[in-house]
Amino acid sequence: AQKVTQAQTEISVVEKEDVTLDCVYETRDTTYYLFWYKQPPSGELVFLIRRNSFDEQNEISGRYSWNFQKSTSSFNFTITASQVVDSAVYFCALVPSGTYKYIFGTGTRLKVLA
Amino acid sequence: SAVISQKPSRDICQRGTSLTIQCQVDSQVTMMFWYRQQPGQSLTLIATANQGSEATYESGFVIDKFPISRPNLTFSTLTVSNMSPEDSSIYLCSVVTSGPYNEQFFGPGTRLTVL
Repeated sequence: AQKVTQAQTEISVVEKEDVTLDCVYETRDTTYYLFWYKQPPSGELVFLIRRNSFDEQNEISGRYSWNFQKSTSSFNFTITASQVVDSAVYFCALVPSGTYKYIFGTGTRLKVLA
Repeated sequence: SAVISQKPSRDICQRGTSLTIQCQVDSQVTMMFWYRQQPGQSLTLIATANQGSEATYESGFVIDKFPISRPNLTFSTLTVSNMSPEDSSIYLCSVVTSGPYNEQFFGPGTRLTVL
C-alpha cells in the first residue's frame, strides 16, 4: 500500500522559533517523487519542493530546509525563524513514478503566533 | 509552470441544485485533474479530465454526480450535480505541464457551500 502520514495535526509556535513538520511515507516502488505544498488561508496550494527518490541530498531554500532519509522513509520540512506569514496548512505528497496521481498526507496546520 | 484560474472562486448554493466550475489554463497542458478538499481534510482526487473523451473517475466518484468536460487542452469544467450539504468543499483543478517531474500545479480553488 502507498501512504503518506503526517502525524502532527496542528502545531503552534511563537514567531522566530524553528519548527519541523514530519512526513513519513510508505511505498514499495523504488522510483517515486515527494512534494511539499503550502495552503494558506486563501486556499490555493503553493508548491514548495520536489524531490525524487534517487536524490537524498538535503536542500535549503532561505528559511526552509528539507531532510530526506530513505532509510526511515521520511521527508521532513523545517522552517527556521518562523514568521506569522508561515501560518498555513502544509501537505506532503507521494507520487509513484509512471503516474501523476498524488497521494496526499492529511496535512499539518501550522500556527505562528506573534 | 502554468497560471490557472477557476470560476467561481466561491459560491453558496441550495440543496438539489447544480454548479459548474470552470478551470482555465494559460497554456496547453497534457493532463488536468479535479480534486475535492472537504473541510479540514486532505485532497482527494475526483477524476482525470481527458481531452476529447470521457473523464476517468476515481473510486467513489461517478459521472452522474460529477460530470466533467474537457473540450481542449486549456479548459475543463466540473459540475457538482444535485448538491447536498455533504458536497460543501473546496474544489481544485490541477494540471501537469510537459516535463519529467510529475509536478502538478493547482488552481486557486472554488469554495462551495451547500445549504
